[in-house]
Amino acid sequence: EAAVTQSPRNKVTVTGGNVTLSCRQTNSHNYMYWYRQDTGHGLRLIHYSYGAGNLQIGDVPDGYKATRTTQEDFFLLLELASPSQTSLYFCASSEWGEQYFGPGTRLTVL
Amino acid sequence: GEQVEQRPPHLSVREGDSAIIICTYTDSATAYFSWYKQEAGAGLQLLMSVLSNVDRKEEQGLTVLLNKKDKRLSLNLTAAHPGDSAVYFCAVSASSGSWQLIFGSGTQLTVMP
Repeated sequence: EAAVTQSPRNKVTVTGGNVTLSCRQTNSHNYMYWYRQDTGHGLRLIHYSYGAGNLQIGDVPDGYKATRTTQEDFFLLLELASPSQTSLYFCASSEWGEQYFGPGTRLTVL
Repeated sequence: GEQVEQRPPHLSVREGDSAIIICTYTDSATAYFSWYKQEAGAGLQLLMSVLSNVDRKEEQGLTVLLNKKDKRLSLNLTAAHPGDSAVYFCAVSASSGSWQLIFGSGTQLTVMP
């Protein structure tokens, strides 16, 4: 079965802090995605990539950078974290429509 | 762009009853439709997916119906049991190349013994 892992699982930082969320997939999928999940909004796409070195902007990209270093690894960067970025973050991978999700990272920005 | 509305936000049924969740979408070019289940503290698990050329799909007590005329997608859990208690999301895509999914806002399903 497809495997997507995320680290850390929980993170607390302060306003203005620098945070990197990591995602690794062992599915050999080309597509990888970063979402945030907030009550009442479902999942919203932040950034996605269709291969190493590629980056595409999603629906809510402000305040986030991302980098896809290899086919397996996709990182989400918050360089100046703000309380509005407190959320549950999910990574996913896919070859086409069927996306496989990681367990999530809960980020709290104080 | 695509808008997806999901209802109801909360659904409570008794064990053995059916539970129906409905999503409506706006883009007639939508070509891929899926349902995910999220248990407490976990990621999303793909339940079922259909392409636009499929009107009905049944698997293991789940039925997905697609009405393209009304732009409506439904998930029917027949004979629900307490283990089905979770948040359910619909997700659709226009398959424009990115397979970007647009998610509904979720339905919290509670199945009471």
